[in-house]
Amino acid sequence: EIVLTQSPATLSLSPGERATLSCRASQSVSSYLAWYQQKPGQAPRLLIYDASNRATGIPARFSGSGSGTDFTLTISSLEPEDFAVYYCQQRSNWPSTFGPGTKVDIK
Amino acid sequence: QVQLQESGPGLVKPSGTLSLTCAVSGGSISSSNWWSWVRQPPGKGLEWIGEIYHSGSTNYNPSLKSRVTISVDKSKNQFSLKLSSVTAADTAVYYCARGVITGKVDYMDVWGKGTTVTVSS
Repeated sequence: EIVLTQSPATLSLSPGERATLSCRASQSVSSYLAWYQQKPGQAPRLLIYDASNRATGIPARFSGSGSGTDFTLTISSLEPEDFAVYYCQQRSNWPSTFGPGTKVDIK
Repeated sequence: QVQLQESGPGLVKPSGTLSLTCAVSGGSISSSNWWSWVRQPPGKGLEWIGEIYHSGSTNYNPSLKSRVTISVDKSKNQFSLKLSSVTAADTAVYYCARGVITGKVDYMDVWGKGTTVTVSS
């Protein structure tokens, strides 16, 4: 099973700042990686798929990069609605696995 | 616009079987998508349980495979999850989701709101 590690566990930032979240895989997942956003009491929301493609309706301030074992989700300028938990997920190998999440909270 | 809605008992006794259904509206379960179940224990992260295609083809998480069955009912436009021999560790919010195929793999682009299942006597 591929293990995904996310860092940092918590990121404290102010609105307007840039957020950089990391996801590292225990072995190569090629580009088969997604990012999800989850707010309290809500279902996850797909942001990025195939490492760098924005899902339908996702604002351009969200971008993904990376391949192999190292991936990054960048939020260029945090909006108030962006404070949430972010999970990465790999679809390269069975079973699909998720990272433990990075919480982006308000500084 | 496709919407998903989970339903089922919110309380299951230990050693019993958890049974949930996900109703698909605004689209057909026979479309070219996978249909998944994901769960989230209280205060914890996400765990992928498994998925099914309308043909009946399934993929399960090996950690749960001996206890999980996912099935599809095309006549009712829904799919279901059964998890047997449950324990308190199976207490979680259970989500159903649609997997959109992007080349070789699929990603979950539409989710239900989730349903809380508690395992307790």
